[in-house]
Order: sequence, then structure tokens, then C-alpha cells
Amino acid sequence: AQKITQTQPGMFVQEKEAVTLDCTYDTSDQSYGLFWYKQPSSGEMIFLIYQGSYDEQNATEGRYSLNFQKARKSANLVISASQLGDSAMYFCAMRGPTSGYSTLTFGKGTMLLVSP
Amino acid sequence: NAGVTQTPKFQVLKTGQSMTLQCAQDMNHEYMSWYRQDPGMGLRLIHYSVGAGITDQGEVPNGYNVSRSTTEDFPLRLLSAAPSQTSVYFCASSPGGAGFRNEQYFGPGTRLTVT
Repeated sequence: AQKITQTQPGMFVQEKEAVTLDCTYDTSDQSYGLFWYKQPSSGEMIFLIYQGSYDEQNATEGRYSLNFQKARKSANLVISASQLGDSAMYFCAMRGPTSGYSTLTFGKGTMLLVSP
Repeated sequence: NAGVTQTPKFQVLKTGQSMTLQCAQDMNHEYMSWYRQDPGMGLRLIHYSVGAGITDQGEVPNGYNVSRSTTEDFPLRLLSAAPSQTSVYFCASSPGGAGFRNEQYFGPGTRLTVT
């Protein structure tokens, strides 16, 4: 079975600072994909970034980067230069052969609050 | 493209009532899923489908039925609503194939309250 653990229920950061949201995972699959989603207070799920288990480089998308440490089974999201609009719930998720290619396994999420 | 649409946005049911949450996508995606989101629990998979006529159970299927008669539609039926089914329900779709990279596209969610 696959499992995602997000140990930070809430995080606070000041505007313009960087913040790291932690994600560890457990899987027996050799190949898998890791995702981060953002859920603002309006409720929609917004895809942020993807990392494949065999990708040689850490993924980056604008201000988002993924600190992928395969041996430690961690896939932390780094948000640089935080903005007030980054205040939201963030979910780490994964997909692999065990769970099937059609669905995601989610962590419980981290609430990020960005202050002025 | 409208993407993934869900109706209704909000619903209040009494215990024992039945209803169907509608989900449709216009991206010709093979894969569709239903998740529920409860405070502090993240998103948990209820049922999913890998194509028309094919469905399977997820982590929390009890009390729910699904069917997939067309590629576009994937309704979720609550057979006899219970207060424990109070939740936000998300429908999602993604392209088919054996790839991990395919993004899941989420609908806007349905907030259901069972009294």
C-alpha cells in the first residue's frame, strides 16, 4: 500500500520569505510519480508540480520547486518569495503501479498562512 | 472546454434520503474518480473508473454506488444518506495510459450536509 505523510498541520511564513512544506511517502513501487496540489479557501484543487521517481533533476515550476530525496522517500515543496495569495492548503500526493495509474493517494495536507 | 463539472455545488439531505452527485468531463479522459475530503483527512478515494463500463472501489466505498455508461459521465449515488457522509466530494479525471505524469483535473466540488 502507498502512504503519504505530511507532518506539518500548519505553517506560517512572512511575505517574500521562502517556505518548505514537508512530504514523506512510503511505497514498494520502484516507479511512481509525486504531485503537489494547492487548495485555496475557494475550494478548488490546483495542480502545482510533478516529480517522477526516475527524473534526474528536481522539478521546478516558477516559484515552486520540489526537493526530491529518493533514498529518504521525501518530496518537499519549496515556495520561494511567498506571496499573500499563497495562503492555502497544500496536498502532497502520489501515483504508482500499486494504486493504479488512474488515481492518487493524498496526504492530510498542510495549511500555509502568509502574513504581510 | 468546461473541464470537469459537478452538480450540485451544495446539498442538504436528511438521514435516509438518496441522491446522485453528477460529474461530467469534456476532455475525453478515460480515467475518472470520486474523492471525499473531510477536515484533517485529506482526500480519500471512494470509487474510480478506468473506462466506460469499468468501475472499482477505492478506500472508502461503503454507502456509495457508481456507474460509467459513457466516457463523459461518472455519477456518484448515495443510497441511504448518513451523517457520516457529510463531506466535500470531488470528481476528477485524467487521460488514460500507463503513465504517472498525467495530471488529475478536479471538479469544483460538492459540499454535502446530512442532517
